[in-house]
Amino acid sequence: NAGVTQTPKFHILKIGQSMTLQCTQDMNHNYMYWYRQDPGMGLKLIYYSVGAGITDKGEVPNGYNVSRSTTEDFPLRLELAAPSQTSVYFCATDRGGWGADTQYFGPGTRLTVL
Amino acid sequence: AQTVTQSQPEMSVQEAETVTLSCTYDTSESDYYLFWYKQPPSRQMILVIRQEAYKQQNATENRFSVNFQKAAKSFSLKISDSQLGDAAMYFCAYRASGNTGKLIFGQGTTLQVKP
Repeated sequence: NAGVTQTPKFHILKIGQSMTLQCTQDMNHNYMYWYRQDPGMGLKLIYYSVGAGITDKGEVPNGYNVSRSTTEDFPLRLELAAPSQTSVYFCATDRGGWGADTQYFGPGTRLTVL
Repeated sequence: AQTVTQSQPEMSVQEAETVTLSCTYDTSESDYYLFWYKQPPSRQMILVIRQEAYKQQNATENRFSVNFQKAAKSFSLKISDSQLGDAAMYFCAYRASGNTGKLIFGQGTTLQVKP
């Protein structure tokens, strides 16, 4: 039972390039989330999904896209990368999005845009 | 909109001593949940403790306890008998009741534990 896995762990991207951050969970959770953490700051929600085929914007969605075709996978797409997207990206899941639910986090992807 | 504020960017404590990390939040909701997460250098986010707003009793998990003051919108974390492994960044987080799903985080407090 791996929980929440993210790939890659680290990546350097050039300005204007695109890439996809992968997130997979084996916990059979409905809700999945993408957060970014800028240096010395807390996490901010980018996008989230309440189930396969359903996604919605969070606090900072600009410059990102998501899709959710299966329960297990929730990839985050960066189009035309900018230095402002240099951050650590965390994927998280929980059972049903309820206040009492525990969110389980992946190990994060450190992305640098140069 | 809900906000979470941690006014202490850094704190330090001597091993075996007690330290308190502060957190305030702003919400118009009456029912919600509050959390403390620990982030060690490995970056893994680890849930430390959770408090339901409708419960008056403060949550406790071993050496970790909270002081929840609903009227003051204050939610501090007390770490007793501090250990070297407690050194990490600590985040306070808020989540509304119901299935809205969104965690709102504070800026974090870096805790140093001195041997």
